[in-house]
Amino acid sequence: QQQVKQSPQSLIVQKGGISIINCAYENTAFDYFPWYQQFPGKGPALLIAIRPDVSEKKEGRFTISFNKSAKQFSLHIMDSQPGDSATYFCAAKDSGAGSYQLTFGKGTKLSVIP
Amino acid sequence: SAVISQKPSRDICQRGTSLTIQCQVDSQVTMMFWYRQQPGQSLTLIATANQGSEATYESGFVIDKFPISRPNLTFSTLTVSNMSPEDSSIYLCSAGQLLNTDTQYFGPGTRLTVL
Repeated sequence: QQQVKQSPQSLIVQKGGISIINCAYENTAFDYFPWYQQFPGKGPALLIAIRPDVSEKKEGRFTISFNKSAKQFSLHIMDSQPGDSATYFCAAKDSGAGSYQLTFGKGTKLSVIP
Repeated sequence: SAVISQKPSRDICQRGTSLTIQCQVDSQVTMMFWYRQQPGQSLTLIATANQGSEATYESGFVIDKFPISRPNLTFSTLTVSNMSPEDSSIYLCSAGQLLNTDTQYFGPGTRLTVL
């Protein structure tokens, strides 16, 4: 059972545009939601993360929007650049269960075209 | 943040052989994990490497196939045993720091091809 559903699978955005990637989760015990960025041949790198006590977190051009009632969260990349072309993974974690396990979405391949 | 290195970065192996992947972290970490990522796919947790005790394996992964060691707080190994072509994948080590176990940092991965 996939506990974190990510969409779209792939995304093509014009340079300067806004990239939006969505994730939905089922486990209401999840309380930590990171996004990872992965370039080809590299390991995933933590991009930004949010906890359910806030509805939005912004770091530079990257913003997470969180909707606890809908059990959804999304990544917005403003002013998208060709260097942002990568695969993005959302993830979720239940910190209270004594587990450190991250549950990942299936990933979104973003291509930013000039 | 923790800096994680893995060896080897890639390898091509014959069916039936075993490969040991090393993971080194530049600082003491609470938790170390091993993931598998098949080409173009998401990350699947294989096991949590526990210091001084047996690793904790996720459903579908067993110790005989993926023995793991963690002799100290900064080093772990994953062995892929009796390999078959289905084991061809990227194997990733990750770690969580002592004071912030929510955040996991990933190594660059080991790309394994089994012929």
